Parts: sequence; structure tokens; C-alpha cells
Amino acid sequence: LAKTTQPISMDSYEGQEVNITCSHNNIATNDYITWYQQFPSQGPRFIIQGYKTKVTNEVASLFIPADRKSSTLSLPRVSLSDTAVYYCLVGDIRSGNAGNMLTFGGGTRLMVKP
Amino acid sequence: DAGVIQSPRHEVTEMGQEVTLRCKPISGHNSLFWYRQTMMRGLELLIYFNNNVPIDDSGMPEDRFSAKMPNASFSTLKIQPSEPRDSAVYFCASSRQYNEQFFGPGTRLTVL
Repeated sequence: LAKTTQPISMDSYEGQEVNITCSHNNIATNDYITWYQQFPSQGPRFIIQGYKTKVTNEVASLFIPADRKSSTLSLPRVSLSDTAVYYCLVGDIRSGNAGNMLTFGGGTRLMVKP
Repeated sequence: DAGVIQSPRHEVTEMGQEVTLRCKPISGHNSLFWYRQTMMRGLELLIYFNNNVPIDDSGMPEDRFSAKMPNASFSTLKIQPSEPRDSAVYFCASSRQYNEQFFGPGTRLTVL
């Protein structure tokens, strides 16, 4: 299984851009990178998924370098409501081996301050 | 769409009692997952189903835990007998195959 490493916590201020990096040194060729967000007392919510280079949606951007051994979730102009735990997952979503996708790890606790 | 529905939202029971947690996945999703979350262990996958068939139950802590999916719109997670260390938030999630997972609101279980 591809193991991921993220910072335990990060602090930011409203209006700033936040970048959370995830290391996944043993990522496999067919593995995708997926990020989830979890608010207190709620289940995780899908944010973004990518394979290489850059992916952008209405919520975030995901940057993946050429060697794919790490990835960076970028949240533009965060607000207080972005305070949450962010999880990085790595796995092969097409192999039928769902077990490879489902290790959430400890996540990064982001605190956005006013 | 109503999203993933879980019941009950809160359950308080005494050690030794049987506990049954229920989940209704999103219509059209063919994969269903049960997770457990605690402060100490984080979010752990217990079992997942694909097309109502259990694919991997290696995360189920012990024989006291069992899960069923009798049809595409319903699943249960049962603990018998329950123990205080089973206290946690239990999440159910569903997806189309193994893509983006949609999580339910969770069931907060307290075993006294």
C-alpha cells in the first residue's frame, strides 16, 4: 500500500492561500491521489482527485510534480469555514482493489484564524 | 438526492448489549463502506461491499462485529456483544464502483 505522510496541523489566516503537502514516496504507476475534507461531527467530503500535473475545480487545486512522490492541495483565499481536517489518499481506483484506496491516515488539521 | 442515510444518529447502550447500525446508500451506487472513527485510531475501514458482496472485511476488529448487505439499498453493521472500547463514530459511505465516496452523517455509539 502507498503510505502517505502529511503535517499534523497548520494555521492560517482568512484570505490567505493555504498549501498542504502530502508525501507518497512509494506511489505506484496506476495510483491516483485523492483529497478529502472533514468538518467536526461530519463524515469526510471529497475535494479533488488527480493523477499528474495540475487539477483545478471550484474548491481547490491539486499540484502533482513529475515524479509523483508528493502532491500539494492548494486552497485559495481560505475563510473560517475552511477549518477542518484534510486527508490525502493514494491508490489505484481502477484496479478493483479498493482496499488500496481507503487508508485515510491522520490527516492535516487546518485552523483558519480571523 | 437524500445522500447516504444512517440510523440511529446516536446510540447509548450498556456493555453486553447487541447494537445494530443501519445504512441506506445513495441510489445507483454499487459500493458501500463501513468506517469507524476514534480520537486514538483515526478513521478506519471496517468492511466494504461491491454489488452487495463483501469484498474485504479484514478491518473488522473481531468476531463480535458483523455486516450484511441484503440488497442494494440497505446495509447493517452489528456488534454483539458490545464493549466500552467499541465507543466511536461509525460512518457509512457509498460510491459508484471505487470512485468518489459519499459519507453519511455517522452514528455516535457510546457503550457504557
